[in-house]
Amino acid sequence: TGVTQSPTHLIKTRGQQVTLSCSPISGHRSVSWYQQTPGQGLQFLFEYFSETQRNKGNFPGRFSGRQFSNSRSEMNVSTLELGDSALYLCVSSSMPGQPYEQYFGPGTRLTVT
Amino acid sequence: AQRVTQPEKLLSVFKGAPVELKCNYSYSGSPELFWYVQYSRQRLQLLLRHISRESIKGFTADLNKGETSFHLKKPFAQEEDSAIYYCALRDPYSGAGSYQLTFGKGTKLSVIP
Repeated sequence: TGVTQSPTHLIKTRGQQVTLSCSPISGHRSVSWYQQTPGQGLQFLFEYFSETQRNKGNFPGRFSGRQFSNSRSEMNVSTLELGDSALYLCVSSSMPGQPYEQYFGPGTRLTVT
Repeated sequence: AQRVTQPEKLLSVFKGAPVELKCNYSYSGSPELFWYVQYSRQRLQLLLRHISRESIKGFTADLNKGETSFHLKKPFAQEEDSAIYYCALRDPYSGAGSYQLTFGKGTKLSVIP
């Protein structure tokens, strides 16, 4: 099975917080998150490998994430703003030294009203 | 900071005509370049990597460090090539095994029958 993300869609109001979930491909231990908007395109949020954050994009501290021992990852956005409305994509990648594999999830569409 | 520019938001070509999707980047070292594709109602997927020097679905891309370009080419467009194409750059200094990518804003290719 491919990369799965939940929920598919959700609607929140300003000031609320949200948690998004991603399950990577079996055997993949690297998970990245991207925000996609019509104006800014795809922007890197953060990357996790073996439960450790490797890199973080240029987003405010309201955006956070974590990875669990089974490689599943969550990202959290607190104090939601209208500008956080976007498609949030999870990417599952193979380990260094293995044949290069990278798979995108279907995304979670977040609407902030 | 690195940047990826895809100057054409939309590109229309006739079936059988050559296709060239432009990608320029700004980076002070030797980056790794990728092309991704998103077909209608499908997930974003990797099309090709410059270091693989492979041809996928008839598409090729050559890294031109002098012109800082990584244009995607196909000699004869097919209707099934209609999709959104994203050029992306990986900073090799973002960490060993890191998959942090900087994306262009995409070019929507329409192949006219």
